[in-house]
Amino acid sequence: SQQGEEDPQALSIQEGENATMNCSYKTSINNLQWYRQNSGRGLVHLILIRSNEREKHSGRLRVTLDTSKKSSSLLITASRAADTASYFCATDENAGGTSYGKLTFGQGTILTVHP
Amino acid sequence: DTGVSQNPRHKITKRGQNVTFRCDPISEHNRLYWYRQTLGQGPEFLTYFQNEAQLEKSRLLSDRFSAERPKGSFSTLEIQRTEQGDSAMYLCASRLDSWTEAFFGQGTRLTVV
Repeated sequence: SQQGEEDPQALSIQEGENATMNCSYKTSINNLQWYRQNSGRGLVHLILIRSNEREKHSGRLRVTLDTSKKSSSLLITASRAADTASYFCATDENAGGTSYGKLTFGQGTILTVHP
Repeated sequence: DTGVSQNPRHKITKRGQNVTFRCDPISEHNRLYWYRQTLGQGPEFLTYFQNEAQLEKSRLLSDRFSAERPKGSFSTLEIQRTEQGDSAMYLCASRLDSWTEAFFGQGTRLTVV
């Protein structure tokens, strides 16, 4: 089952603009990860944010996490055509004592950056 | 290159045939996961290994699916008597523990004709 809901489903912007993608989830989590996927390829890990963290940065990426609202956002600043891809959030559910570390994904946001 | 290797990258098979995919995880990762992704959807969990032990299986994993991880190293996923509905991307991931990043392979795209 899909836990996360990404919003928007599709986003089209011009190069140089910022892109913001949102993710909502349903259960208590240990951490949340963001991935990028180019068409027909595997997933590339972007950022992991733990449940006790509120914000994390990596280069042009900024991720926020609000556990009270069960939501996260991914901001890509100064976007480039090469950022065109699908972006997924994935949650590690806090299942009590045993956490197997399986990830639950949303349906993703398709980002298109026009040169 | 994430360090997780999957083979083959593409597989076309006739309905009713058996197929087997292989995943080589990052060597120090004792946790290995298989996921399935259909067009326009996010990946869905299939099964999980900790070392050689298969500790969790999804309801998506029908009796026609079997996975192994002998000696806790590489893993194989076999689908018997393939059906058109099995057409999907099969992704493998490994991680050190549930508090660190999961790294994915490039996937095996299965097409059943």
